[in-house]
Amino acid sequence: ETGVTQSPTHLIKTRGQQVTLRCSSQSGHNTVSWYQQALGQGPQFIFQYYREEENGRGNFPPRFSGLQFPNYSSELNVNALELDDSALYLCASSLGQGDQETQYFGPGTRLLVL
Amino acid sequence: AQSVTQLDSQVPVFEEAPVELRCNYSSSVSVYLFWYVQYPNQGLQLLLKYLSGSTLVKGINGFEAEFNKSQTSFHLRKPSVHISDTAEYFCAVTYSSASKIIFGSGTRLSIRP
Repeated sequence: ETGVTQSPTHLIKTRGQQVTLRCSSQSGHNTVSWYQQALGQGPQFIFQYYREEENGRGNFPPRFSGLQFPNYSSELNVNALELDDSALYLCASSLGQGDQETQYFGPGTRLLVL
Repeated sequence: AQSVTQLDSQVPVFEEAPVELRCNYSSSVSVYLFWYVQYPNQGLQLLLKYLSGSTLVKGINGFEAEFNKSQTSFHLRKPSVHISDTAEYFCAVTYSSASKIIFGSGTRLSIRP
């Protein structure tokens, strides 16, 4: 139990639609990161938010966007869904930005795009 | 550029046998290394991490890993595995002043009774 929750647990969408995934971090954790884990692969870094500002981005197109709120919750939004967006989406929270900070992962949201 | 290579996609072992999961990394700067475990239908859980100091790192559930800078390796070991260790194991790396984690492709550990 990491104290990080995600919703929904599963989701089915069709190509071209938009989706919003939600994450609730541990209280006091100012940093949240989002990862995409395709089937049979390791997680890939999408982006990170620190105190409600984007603080780094991986190799994902602009149709992947996010928000972080003062109440330690965050969202990942994906527009114009493509079949290859089918994956497990993980959020991870940490207390600060430092490299020694442990990231705590949620259970993930499994997205299927048809 | 940083990358992480997990040399084995699957490792089958018998219960109570020792196991080693291999991980190599490439980086031109100082790195911080991690091993995560993912049980079926769950998120990632940190097993152990190397930041600095002793090259032998002990983690949870009886796992340990050794940082070898000259071989750029961070292999995970356990002297005696249990059925409950069945899971996917991910080696990961990050570097100073950043929190972006780069993961390997994972090693599936399957335990045979």
